[in-house]
Amino acid sequence: KQEVTQIPAALSVPEGENLVLNCSFTDSAIYNLQWFRQDPGKGLTSLLLIQSSQREQTSGRLNASLDKSSGRSTLYIAASQPGDSATYLCAPRGDYGGSQGNLIFGKGTKLSVKP
Amino acid sequence: SAVISQKPSRDICQRGTSLTIQCQVDSQVTMMFWYRQQPGQSLTLIATANQGSEATYESGFVIDKFPISRPNLTFSTLTVSNMSPEDSSIYLCSVLELVTEAFFGQGTRLTVV
Repeated sequence: KQEVTQIPAALSVPEGENLVLNCSFTDSAIYNLQWFRQDPGKGLTSLLLIQSSQREQTSGRLNASLDKSSGRSTLYIAASQPGDSATYLCAPRGDYGGSQGNLIFGKGTKLSVKP
Repeated sequence: SAVISQKPSRDICQRGTSLTIQCQVDSQVTMMFWYRQQPGQSLTLIATANQGSEATYESGFVIDKFPISRPNLTFSTLTVSNMSPEDSSIYLCSVLELVTEAFFGQGTRLTVV
Protein backbone atom coordinates (compact mmCIF):
# COMPACT_ATOMS: atom_id res chain seq x y z
CA LYS A 1 0.00 0.00 0.00
CA GLN A 2 1.42 3.35 -1.07
CA GLU A 3 2.23 5.77 1.75
CA VAL A 4 3.24 9.37 1.13
CA THR A 5 5.16 11.49 3.62
CA GLN A 6 5.79 15.19 3.28
CA ILE A 7 8.46 17.01 5.25
CA PRO A 8 8.33 19.51 6.82
CA ALA A 9 4.69 19.58 7.92
CA ALA A 10 4.88 23.36 8.25
CA LEU A 11 7.35 26.01 7.17
CA SER A 12 7.54 29.74 7.81
CA VAL A 13 10.02 31.83 5.85
CA PRO A 14 10.65 35.49 5.10
CA GLU A 15 9.83 36.75 1.64
CA GLY A 16 12.53 36.21 -0.98
CA GLU A 17 13.91 32.93 0.34
CA ASN A 18 14.42 29.90 -1.86
CA LEU A 19 12.92 26.80 -0.32
CA VAL A 20 12.57 23.06 -0.79
CA LEU A 21 9.58 20.90 0.05
CA ASN A 22 10.15 17.16 0.33
CA CYS A 23 7.91 14.23 -0.57
CA SER A 24 8.70 10.55 -0.11
CA PHE A 25 6.65 7.53 -1.17
CA THR A 26 7.01 3.88 -0.30
CA ASP A 27 6.08 2.21 -3.62
CA SER A 28 8.30 3.23 -6.54
CA ALA A 29 5.94 1.72 -9.13
CA ILE A 30 4.36 5.02 -10.07
CA TYR A 31 2.83 6.25 -13.32
CA ASN A 32 3.40 9.93 -12.55
CA LEU A 33 3.46 12.38 -9.67
CA GLN A 34 1.63 15.68 -9.25
CA TRP A 35 2.25 18.63 -7.00
CA PHE A 36 -0.78 20.67 -5.96
CA ARG A 37 -1.41 23.85 -4.05
CA GLN A 38 -4.40 24.20 -1.71
CA ASP A 39 -5.52 27.50 -0.23
CA PRO A 40 -7.42 27.32 3.10
CA GLY A 41 -10.85 25.74 2.71
CA LYS A 42 -10.48 25.55 -1.06
CA GLY A 43 -9.87 23.02 -3.80
CA LEU A 44 -6.58 21.96 -5.33
CA THR A 45 -4.64 23.73 -8.06
CA SER A 46 -2.32 21.56 -10.14
CA LEU A 47 1.21 22.99 -10.15
CA LEU A 48 3.37 20.42 -11.87
CA LEU A 49 2.99 16.95 -13.32
CA ILE A 50 6.06 14.72 -13.65
CA GLN A 51 5.82 11.52 -15.68
CA SER A 52 7.67 8.50 -14.29
CA SER A 53 10.24 8.72 -17.10
CA GLN A 54 11.08 12.35 -16.32
CA ARG A 55 13.57 13.72 -13.82
CA GLU A 56 12.17 17.22 -13.41
CA GLN A 57 9.61 19.76 -14.52
CA THR A 58 9.69 23.54 -14.31
CA SER A 59 6.98 26.18 -14.30
CA GLY A 60 8.01 29.74 -13.57
CA ARG A 61 9.56 29.89 -10.10
CA LEU A 62 8.66 26.27 -9.40
CA ASN A 63 10.83 23.26 -10.13
CA ALA A 64 9.91 19.70 -9.22
CA SER A 65 12.30 16.77 -9.34
CA LEU A 66 11.58 13.07 -9.22
CA ASP A 67 13.83 10.20 -8.16
CA LYS A 68 11.50 7.29 -8.73
CA SER A 69 13.89 4.54 -7.65
CA SER A 70 14.47 6.12 -4.25
CA GLY A 71 10.84 7.17 -3.85
CA ARG A 72 11.45 10.89 -3.57
CA SER A 73 10.28 14.12 -5.10
CA THR A 74 11.14 17.68 -4.20
CA LEU A 75 9.43 20.97 -5.00
CA TYR A 76 11.77 23.94 -5.21
CA ILE A 77 10.26 27.42 -4.92
CA ALA A 78 12.55 30.28 -5.90
CA ALA A 79 12.30 33.79 -4.51
CA SER A 80 9.24 33.04 -2.37
CA GLN A 81 6.41 35.60 -2.14
CA PRO A 82 3.57 36.08 0.38
CA GLY A 83 1.18 34.89 -2.33
CA ASP A 84 2.91 31.49 -2.22
CA SER A 85 1.44 30.91 1.25
CA ALA A 86 -0.68 27.76 1.01
CA THR A 87 -0.53 24.02 1.66
CA TYR A 88 1.45 22.06 -0.92
CA LEU A 89 0.40 18.48 -1.61
CA CYS A 90 2.33 15.72 -3.32
CA ALA A 91 0.44 12.85 -4.98
CA PRO A 92 1.96 9.92 -6.85
CA ARG A 93 -0.24 7.80 -9.11
CA GLY A 94 0.38 4.05 -9.04
CA ASP A 95 1.37 2.01 -12.08
CA TYR A 96 -0.09 -1.48 -12.10
CA GLY A 97 1.43 -3.14 -15.13
CA GLY A 98 0.54 -0.26 -17.40
CA SER A 99 -2.82 0.48 -15.76
CA GLN A 100 -3.05 3.68 -13.77
CA GLY A 101 -3.91 3.58 -10.12
CA ASN A 102 -5.41 6.36 -8.08
CA LEU A 103 -3.65 9.42 -6.70
CA ILE A 104 -2.40 8.90 -3.14
CA PHE A 105 -1.97 12.12 -1.20
CA GLY A 106 0.41 13.17 1.52
CA LYS A 107 -0.75 15.40 4.36
CA GLY A 108 1.01 18.36 2.82
CA THR A 109 3.43 21.09 3.80
CA LYS A 110 1.81 24.27 5.10
CA LEU A 111 3.90 27.19 3.87
CA SER A 112 3.75 30.69 5.26
CA VAL A 113 5.79 33.41 3.54
CA LYS A 114 6.05 36.58 5.60
CA PRO A 115 6.49 40.01 4.01
CA SER B 1 -7.02 22.53 -18.54
CA ALA B 2 -10.57 21.58 -17.64
CA VAL B 3 -12.64 24.10 -15.71
CA ILE B 4 -14.63 22.44 -12.93
CA SER B 5 -17.53 24.14 -11.16
CA GLN B 6 -18.77 22.76 -7.88
CA LYS B 7 -21.97 23.74 -6.09
CA PRO B 8 -22.57 24.63 -3.34
CA SER B 9 -19.24 26.05 -2.22
CA ARG B 10 -20.25 25.62 1.40
CA ASP B 11 -23.24 24.60 3.48
CA ILE B 12 -24.28 24.09 7.08
CA CYS B 13 -26.70 21.18 7.48
CA GLN B 14 -28.69 19.58 10.25
CA ARG B 15 -27.79 16.05 11.27
CA GLY B 16 -29.99 13.40 9.69
CA THR B 17 -30.51 15.37 6.48
CA SER B 18 -28.89 14.87 3.05
CA LEU B 19 -26.93 17.21 0.79
CA THR B 20 -26.33 16.83 -2.94
CA ILE B 21 -23.16 18.35 -4.38
CA GLN B 22 -22.96 19.09 -8.09
CA CYS B 23 -19.88 19.00 -10.31
CA GLN B 24 -19.96 20.50 -13.81
CA VAL B 25 -17.02 20.29 -16.23
CA ASP B 26 -16.60 22.53 -19.27
CA SER B 27 -15.52 19.63 -21.50
CA GLN B 28 -16.30 15.95 -21.86
CA VAL B 29 -14.16 13.78 -19.60
CA THR B 30 -14.05 10.04 -19.23
CA MET B 31 -13.03 9.83 -15.61
CA MET B 32 -14.54 11.79 -12.71
CA PHE B 33 -13.77 11.25 -9.04
CA TRP B 34 -15.08 12.34 -5.64
CA TYR B 35 -12.75 12.94 -2.69
CA ARG B 36 -13.23 13.78 0.97
CA GLN B 37 -10.86 15.85 3.07
CA GLN B 38 -11.59 15.68 6.77
CA PRO B 39 -10.31 18.51 9.00
CA GLY B 40 -6.52 18.44 9.24
CA GLN B 41 -6.27 15.38 7.02
CA SER B 42 -5.29 14.72 3.45
CA LEU B 43 -7.57 13.74 0.61
CA THR B 44 -9.22 10.33 0.49
CA LEU B 45 -10.88 8.96 -2.63
CA ILE B 46 -14.56 8.15 -2.11
CA ALA B 47 -15.43 6.75 -5.53
CA THR B 48 -14.95 6.89 -9.27
CA ALA B 49 -18.06 8.16 -11.06
CA ASN B 50 -18.66 6.06 -14.16
CA GLN B 51 -20.83 7.38 -16.98
CA GLY B 52 -23.74 5.08 -17.65
CA SER B 53 -23.03 2.65 -14.83
CA GLU B 54 -22.74 2.48 -11.06
CA ALA B 55 -19.91 4.26 -9.31
CA THR B 56 -16.92 2.30 -8.07
CA TYR B 57 -16.47 2.85 -4.33
CA GLU B 58 -13.27 2.66 -2.33
CA SER B 59 -12.95 0.61 0.81
CA GLY B 60 -14.84 2.21 3.67
CA PHE B 61 -17.36 4.04 1.48
CA VAL B 62 -20.78 2.66 0.52
CA ILE B 63 -23.42 3.60 -2.00
CA ASP B 64 -26.18 4.01 0.58
CA LYS B 65 -24.21 6.72 2.35
CA PHE B 66 -22.67 8.39 -0.70
CA PRO B 67 -24.89 7.81 -3.76
CA ILE B 68 -23.34 9.17 -6.96
CA SER B 69 -24.87 9.97 -10.32
CA ARG B 70 -23.06 10.48 -13.63
CA PRO B 71 -25.71 11.10 -16.29
CA ASN B 72 -23.28 12.33 -18.96
CA LEU B 73 -19.62 13.10 -19.65
CA THR B 74 -19.69 16.62 -18.16
CA PHE B 75 -21.73 16.28 -14.95
CA SER B 76 -21.83 14.31 -11.71
CA THR B 77 -23.46 14.58 -8.30
CA LEU B 78 -22.46 13.25 -4.89
CA THR B 79 -25.06 12.98 -2.14
CA VAL B 80 -24.05 12.78 1.50
CA SER B 81 -26.95 10.97 3.16
CA ASN B 82 -28.22 10.89 6.74
CA MET B 83 -25.47 13.24 7.81
CA SER B 84 -23.73 13.27 11.17
CA PRO B 85 -21.10 15.70 12.51
CA GLU B 86 -18.42 13.21 11.42
CA ASP B 87 -19.35 13.99 7.81
CA SER B 88 -18.12 17.56 8.23
CA SER B 89 -15.40 17.79 5.57
CA ILE B 90 -14.44 19.36 2.30
CA TYR B 91 -15.77 17.32 -0.63
CA LEU B 92 -13.95 17.66 -3.93
CA CYS B 93 -14.70 16.68 -7.48
CA SER B 94 -11.80 15.77 -9.77
CA VAL B 95 -11.30 14.86 -13.42
CA LEU B 96 -8.49 13.25 -15.36
CA GLU B 97 -7.41 15.11 -18.48
CA LEU B 98 -5.45 13.49 -21.28
CA VAL B 99 -5.66 10.37 -19.09
CA THR B 100 -2.79 11.58 -16.94
CA GLU B 101 -3.27 14.94 -15.21
CA ALA B 102 -5.82 15.46 -12.45
CA PHE B 103 -7.75 18.70 -11.96
CA PHE B 104 -9.99 19.62 -9.06
CA GLY B 105 -12.99 21.77 -8.37
CA GLN B 106 -12.99 24.40 -5.66
CA GLY B 107 -14.57 22.06 -3.16
CA THR B 108 -17.68 22.06 -1.00
CA ARG B 109 -17.12 22.82 2.67
CA LEU B 110 -19.77 20.93 4.62
CA THR B 111 -20.50 21.51 8.29
CA VAL B 112 -23.02 19.23 10.01
CA VAL B 113 -24.55 20.51 13.25
